[in-house]
Amino acid sequence: DAGVTQSPTHLIKTRGQQVTLRCSPISGHKSVSWYQQVLGQGPQFIFQYYEKEERGRGNFPDRFSARQFPNYSSELNVNALLLGDSALYLCASSLGTYTEAFFGQGTRLTVV
Amino acid sequence: GESVGLHLPTLSVQEGDNSIINCAYSNSASDYFIWYKQESGKGPQFIIDIRSNMDKRQGQRVTVLLNKTVKHLSLQIAATQPGDSAVYFCAEDTLGGGFKTIFGAGTRLFVKA
Repeated sequence: DAGVTQSPTHLIKTRGQQVTLRCSPISGHKSVSWYQQVLGQGPQFIFQYYEKEERGRGNFPDRFSARQFPNYSSELNVNALLLGDSALYLCASSLGTYTEAFFGQGTRLTVV
Repeated sequence: GESVGLHLPTLSVQEGDNSIINCAYSNSASDYFIWYKQESGKGPQFIIDIRSNMDKRQGQRVTVLLNKTVKHLSLQIAATQPGDSAVYFCAEDTLGGGFKTIFGAGTRLFVKA
């Protein structure tokens, strides 16, 4: 069975640009969460979606947005990129709340 | 703000010894706690979880202890192996004010052969 897949694996963007990151959850998982991980730190929670509804949001500016599609895949959008947005963006899927979460390999975003 | 923290940033143990990684949390409303292992270049991997109505849970070679009185979480790894070398994160889930998962900063575990 395929695990959580994220695309792209790496990308480089210029300050001010917009980026869309994609996540495909494990088949049957209805919950998707997004995290930002800066080198040397723990993942920081950005969003959680369940059944296409936003269930939680972390302390990130409105430049960050996300959505979940009917097939439970998800996209994370970041507008007006800043140098500080450079990080590893992780997606995790699970059956629901308080159940084991499975992480993808992440998307390494570099803003120059 | 609410946070999950770790007492030790690095831990070095001899192969075969037991390892104990500690974590302090500050949100008394958190309902669910998880330990993750992250190897270089990979996403975090679930190790074990525990709900707030429990104080101990055992898995294969791992045990998680939860002390709600002092808001402390620990991960015990028995007979530590070189493959256990990684960064370990504790995390807490809370529903207060919307769902959130809060990760700690991480502890790097080195296993000496």
